[in-house]
Formats: sequence, structure tokens, C-alpha cells
Amino acid sequence: DAGITQSPRHKVTETGTPVTLRCHQTENHRYMYWYRQDPGHGLRLIHYSYGVKDTDKGEVSDGYSVSRSKTEDFLLTLESATSSQTSVYFCAISEPGQDTSPLHFGNGTRLTVT
Amino acid sequence: GQNIDQPTEMTATEGAIVQINCTYQTSGFNGLFWYQQHAGEAPTFLSYNVLDGLEEKGRFSSFLSRSKGYSYLLLKELQMKDSASYLCAVVDSNYQLIWGAGTKLIIKP
Repeated sequence: DAGITQSPRHKVTETGTPVTLRCHQTENHRYMYWYRQDPGHGLRLIHYSYGVKDTDKGEVSDGYSVSRSKTEDFLLTLESATSSQTSVYFCAISEPGQDTSPLHFGNGTRLTVT
Repeated sequence: GQNIDQPTEMTATEGAIVQINCTYQTSGFNGLFWYQQHAGEAPTFLSYNVLDGLEEKGRFSSFLSRSKGYSYLLLKELQMKDSASYLCAVVDSNYQLIWGAGTKLIIKP
């Protein structure tokens, strides 16, 4: 299995507080992604990174920011959490150029905003 | 807009065969993935199709028809551990992944 660790696994926070989720990989893959998963929706891309300090927005980026200062770490920050950001967040990695370039996912972070 | 359609839920019997369909309308096509996701866990890669036809991998097979915008995942000799959600995702012309909402498969003894 791809070495991807997300922390924390669970978090409860209050509306208006900042929250940072961490994704750490040991595969040296160039691409890293943050998705959210909500009932009735497909996985939705928040932000992705194609290299150190190279990031771009996904389809649901409002209210989120990211940083990638090292190949292995990709941080997702909710600047001021809202109840609509209650979700399960998945980090994923891929290395384009490999056969089919599938995504490999971390185990997810369940975030509840009260 | 871009759209991926899958049935929300399906039920099948242990030992039987089940086919999970996925239809898509996307701006361009550069491949289709199937993932399995057990409840409370991460999605895991099952298969990838980019050319028309059937790809077989043990008990699981995946079929693609690009002209019809259609794929299916075929699971044979169903086992209780196959109870999971199955996610279809299409790579569009910009190499972005478009995800379906997933099909929850319930296996009954």
C-alpha cells in the first residue's frame, strides 16, 4: 500500500476557528490532492499540488488554502471553519507517467464543525 | 456540464454475479477508473480502461464503450467482503478526474 498518512483522523471544531489537516507521504510522488466526500456527491477536488510550492485550485476551493513546502507534506487549512465544511477529507497522491497513474488515498479525516 | 451517473444502491446474493453501470458525459475522455470503498475507509484502485472492451482481473472485470459513454464493473462469485461502494471516475480532456457519487453494493447471504 502507498505510504500516506493523514492527521488527525477525527476532529471536532467550532464555527469560526481555523483548522489545519496534514497529509504526509513516503512515496516521493509529485502530485498530491485534497478531496472532500459528502453523501450523495462524488469526491470533489479542493486543491492539488504538482510540486513543492506549486499548487492550484480545484472545483470547491472557496474557504480553503493549501501549502506544500516539502515533497512529502501537503497541508489543508480552513481559515474560518463553517458548518458546510463538515465532511470527510481525503488526501491522495499520484505519479503521472506510471502506467495508469491511479490515485492512492489516505485513510481520511472526519471533520465536524459545530 | 460534466456528469457521471451510477445507481445509488444495489443488492445481490453471495455467490452470484452483479453488474454496476456507469454512464458519463464529459468534455473529452482520457480513461475511466473504478475504485472500491469500504465503509469508513479510503477508496482503493480496482481498474482502469482507456480502450473499448473488457479488462478482466480475477473475479472483477471492467468494460468500456467510448462511443456510448458507458462502462460497467462486473463482479463474479460475490463474497460478503465485496459489500462496499464502487466509484466510477472519468479523466476528461484536461486530465481532471470527474467522480460519480458511487454505488453502494449490499451482499446478502
